[in-house]
Parts: sequence; structure tokens; C-alpha cells
Amino acid sequence: QKEVEQNSGPLSVPEGAIASLNCTYSDRVSQSFFWYRQYSGKSPELIMSIYSNGDKEDGRFTAQLNKASQYVSLLIRDSQPSDSATYLCAVMETSGSRLTFGEGTQLTVNP
Amino acid sequence: DTEVTQTPKHLVMGMTNKKSLKCEQHMGHRAMYWYKQKAKKPPELMFVYSYEKLSINESVPSRFSPECPNSSLLNLHLHALQPEDSALYLCASSQEHDSEAFFGQGTRLTVV
Repeated sequence: QKEVEQNSGPLSVPEGAIASLNCTYSDRVSQSFFWYRQYSGKSPELIMSIYSNGDKEDGRFTAQLNKASQYVSLLIRDSQPSDSATYLCAVMETSGSRLTFGEGTQLTVNP
Repeated sequence: DTEVTQTPKHLVMGMTNKKSLKCEQHMGHRAMYWYKQKAKKPPELMFVYSYEKLSINESVPSRFSPECPNSSLLNLHLHALQPEDSALYLCASSQEHDSEAFFGQGTRLTVV
């Protein structure tokens, strides 16, 4: 069973700060990595996908991938109260189709 | 447009009922998925359809029966469910079986 682990929450940051969410995975040959945001009572929403080592930026979000360390992270700059949600890290198995999710990190941004 | 539409949004059913969950996407995606999510847990994969064929069944009990009538539609037929089957049922789709997946808004199922 492939594993995805996220830093245990909950994580609380003040408005305007940088929120850092971390994820490690056990399948060394995984190639596709995703971050989903899930508001309470809602479905997961894809916010970032990353496939290559390095950083990928989209607005206030930056995903970082280090395949050698089997580590993927999500940085949220200028955090807003509307960013308060559970963030799910997901890793695609090598053969495709099967996404393995971490347990999620609950983020609270305090005004 | 990355919309996956699920109906109904909420469903309450008795243990002897038969009901169906429906999912639709018009993005031309060739892979569709059913996930189950319990409170405060991540989604768990149930079934994967790729090019309208069932490619993965994660040892789901037979009281859950998936169906893919065409490339845009995915159904989940429910029969003789148990109260522990109460959960949020999520449909997702992706361009191919190994690309990023987009979720519908889910069906909140309660079995009484």
C-alpha cells in the first residue's frame, strides 16, 4: 500500500502570513502530484498539479516538488481567511488511475 | 470548463431501498471515478472507468454497482445498503486515466 503523509494539523496562521503545507510519499517512482482544497461540507477542488522537480507558481500558491527527497509542499502567500480549509495532498500511482490521498491538513487563517 | 455534475445532492434511503447516484461531465474526459469520503477522512477510491470500461474495482461490496452508459455519464446503483455506508460520494473525471482529476460536488448519502 503506497503511503502519503501530511504534516499533522491543525495549522493556524495570521492573515497575510505564509502558510506552508508539507507532504511526503513512499512510492519513489511516482510522477504526478496534486494539491486539493476542501472546504467543510464541500468536495475537493484541484488547486495545483506538479510533475517536475522545482517550483510551480499560480497566483498566491506555489507547489514545490523534490523527487529525490520524496517531498512535495504547498506554500500559500498572503494567506486570507477564505483560505481556511483542509488541504489534501494526492499522489498518482505510476500506472495511473489510482490517486492516494494524505489525511489532509486543516488550515485556519485568523483575521 | 471543469464541471462535473452529480445528482442528487442529498439522499436519504432505507436499508431495503434501491437508488442511483448520477454523474455527468461534458469535458470529453475518458476516465471517470467514484470515491467515498467519510467525515474528516480523505476520499477513498471505489471504481475507475477508462474509455467506458471498468478498470479498477477496489473490492467494493456488491451492494454498490457502477455503470457507465456512455463517455459522459457514470451511475452508481445502490441496493441494500447499511448505515455505515452513509458518506459523501464523489464522482471525478480526468482527461486520461493518469491526468489530473476534477471532482463533482458530491452526493451526501444517509442510510437509515
